[in-house]
Amino acid sequence: DAKTTQPTSMDCAEGRAANLPCNHSTISGNEYVYWYRQIHSQGPQYIIHGLKNNETNEMASLIITEDRKSSTLILPHATLRDTAVYYCIVIPFSGSARQLTFGSGTQLTVLP
Amino acid sequence: NAGVTQTPKFQVLKTGQSMTLQCAQDMNHNSMYWYRQDPGMGLRLIYYSASEGTTDKGEVPNGYNVSRLNKREFSLRLESAAPSQTSVYFCASRDWTGSTDTQYFGPGTRLTVL
Repeated sequence: DAKTTQPTSMDCAEGRAANLPCNHSTISGNEYVYWYRQIHSQGPQYIIHGLKNNETNEMASLIITEDRKSSTLILPHATLRDTAVYYCIVIPFSGSARQLTFGSGTQLTVLP
Repeated sequence: NAGVTQTPKFQVLKTGQSMTLQCAQDMNHNSMYWYRQDPGMGLRLIYYSASEGTTDKGEVPNGYNVSRLNKREFSLRLESAAPSQTSVYFCASRDWTGSTDTQYFGPGTRLTVL
């Protein structure tokens, strides 16, 4: 699976957009970009995923560059409850049982 | 639609005691997983069940057993608990359909073995 690189930590003011970058320069054509987050002491939570088009759901937007070597997760109006570790991973679409392996992620702190 | 539920939320055991962690999902997913997460560490897969009636070992299966009771339920049993099994245990179910390969996690069971 392709390796991803994320900043260790970021701060964001409450109510502002949080833009979390991820580099995945070795991504393959059949690999999707997934974002999960883990709020302290809770189970990991799926946020969004995409292949090459930009995606939006009720939680966030995902912007993938045209060459697919990087992406940005956007939380449009961050709240204090969005403080969490955010993980960007790439996953090939396959039928085999798949263990989720997160890297160290980005600690996002939303400041009041 | 409760998603993935786990019981109990907290448990304290003495060394050598046994217990079963329960997990259930109401999303009609075929695959289910048990992970453990130690403080400051990533997820490690203990066992998984690709479909009802099948189970397979993951990265750290020693000291654990599992049962896929039916499509909804996947339990994890510690036969003789050890302090090294102190951890947070997460159950997950996997939605693999079409262009989606997403795991949905339960809230976790925090286990302390004294």
